[in-house]
Amino acid sequence: IAGITQAPTSQILAAGRRMTLRCTQDMRHNAMYWYRQDLGLGLRLIHYSNTAGTTGKGEVPDGYSVSRANTDDFPLTLASAVPSQTSVYFCASSFSGASGDEQFFGPGTRLTVL
Amino acid sequence: TQLLEQSPQFLSIQEGENLTVYCNSSSVFSSLQWYRQEPGEGPVLLVTVVTGGEVKKLKRLTFQFGDARKDSSLHITAAQPGDTGLYLCSPGGSNYKLTFGKGTLLTVNP
Repeated sequence: IAGITQAPTSQILAAGRRMTLRCTQDMRHNAMYWYRQDLGLGLRLIHYSNTAGTTGKGEVPDGYSVSRANTDDFPLTLASAVPSQTSVYFCASSFSGASGDEQFFGPGTRLTVL
Repeated sequence: TQLLEQSPQFLSIQEGENLTVYCNSSSVFSSLQWYRQEPGEGPVLLVTVVTGGEVKKLKRLTFQFGDARKDSSLHITAAQPGDTGLYLCSPGGSNYKLTFGKGTLLTVNP
């Protein structure tokens, strides 16, 4: 693999179910991010991780959790999905997490919560 | 108060036309990035501008950072259908990291 991969590509989920979106990068980047993209609201940061073992909250963290057990993987979990979490989710990474670092984005996961 | 304002929100033009899109704020940024997102894909970095007044060119795309580092513009000359996409700006600076404007959705018709 090269760059960032996300899985699944798309998913339809019943409300109340638990769901984990997967993200893997092979660039040995220290920082990783999760965004959601909604029409009219743009890209909004959910959670981030500046290095393995650390995570932080972004602009819209409620209802989501993340872990960063190693450098390559950054899964996003919805503990109990709600319809307002219907969105396109993008994972991204950057070399250091410093402001102005180039972010590399995955292809996205389209999630529909019914 | 919105940190970034991108305008126009939507733009539909014919192939060969020129266009300019804007990214404005009342805040000063240490740098500013422009990304392009094609349909069904994630955003891809086009350029980073750092110095006030800086102009960078990328083939038919010209990026300018305002003298006061509060705004930026992207000018496309002789637009082509391949330029179609969502253009996003993202400011740099410790207080603004990981923020994006809502973008300009550009459609270039053949």
